[in-house]
Amino acid sequence: AQKVTQAQTEISVVEKEDVTLDCVYETRDTTYYLFWYKQPPSGELVFLIRRNSFDEQNEISGRYSWNFQKSTSSFNFTITASQVVDSAVYFCALSDAYNTDKLIFGTGTRLQVFP
Amino acid sequence: NAGVTQTPKFRILKIGQSMTLQCTQDMNHNYMYWYRQDPGMGLKLIYYSVGAGITDKGEVPNGYNVSRSTTEDFPLRLELAAPSQTSVYFCASSEDRGRRSAEAFFGQGTRLTVV
Repeated sequence: AQKVTQAQTEISVVEKEDVTLDCVYETRDTTYYLFWYKQPPSGELVFLIRRNSFDEQNEISGRYSWNFQKSTSSFNFTITASQVVDSAVYFCALSDAYNTDKLIFGTGTRLQVFP
Repeated sequence: NAGVTQTPKFRILKIGQSMTLQCTQDMNHNYMYWYRQDPGMGLKLIYYSVGAGITDKGEVPNGYNVSRSTTEDFPLRLELAAPSQTSVYFCASSEDRGRRSAEAFFGQGTRLTVV
């Protein structure tokens, strides 16, 4: 069965601190995709990144970076120099490439960035 | 660009009432989904559709029905509302890329309370 675990329920940091959000997944598929979504206080879900299981290169986008390690089934998300606008709930999700892109979500990590 | 549009944004229902949550997308996506988000939980899939005329159950389909008569529209019907259906409902769509999962685009959500 597929499963996504985000063990950190809530994280609080002060602005400019770096913070890493953990994501561990389980799947028997050899081809799968991992995603991160952001849910700000306004409630919508914003797509951040998509990564396939064959691409273990780390990715950086501005202050955001992602570390994908197949050996530990993890897809962690780091925000460098956090800002108040980063305060949101962040969801990690998994889909298998053979099953119509249905997403299995983790329970989310609430990040609070204080000024 | 409108993307995925859900109506209504908020609704209060009495136990036993019925209602339809509307969802429309203007991106010509074949795949559409309904998820529900309960407090402190990730999103769970209710129903999905891979194209007009085709629908299938997700993880939590009981108490709901869907239809997909056009590519654009994917309404979710609640029959005999129950307090357990109090939740935030998200409609989403994604492009069919074969076996390369595409990111899903989400609507703004519908906050439903059953009293």
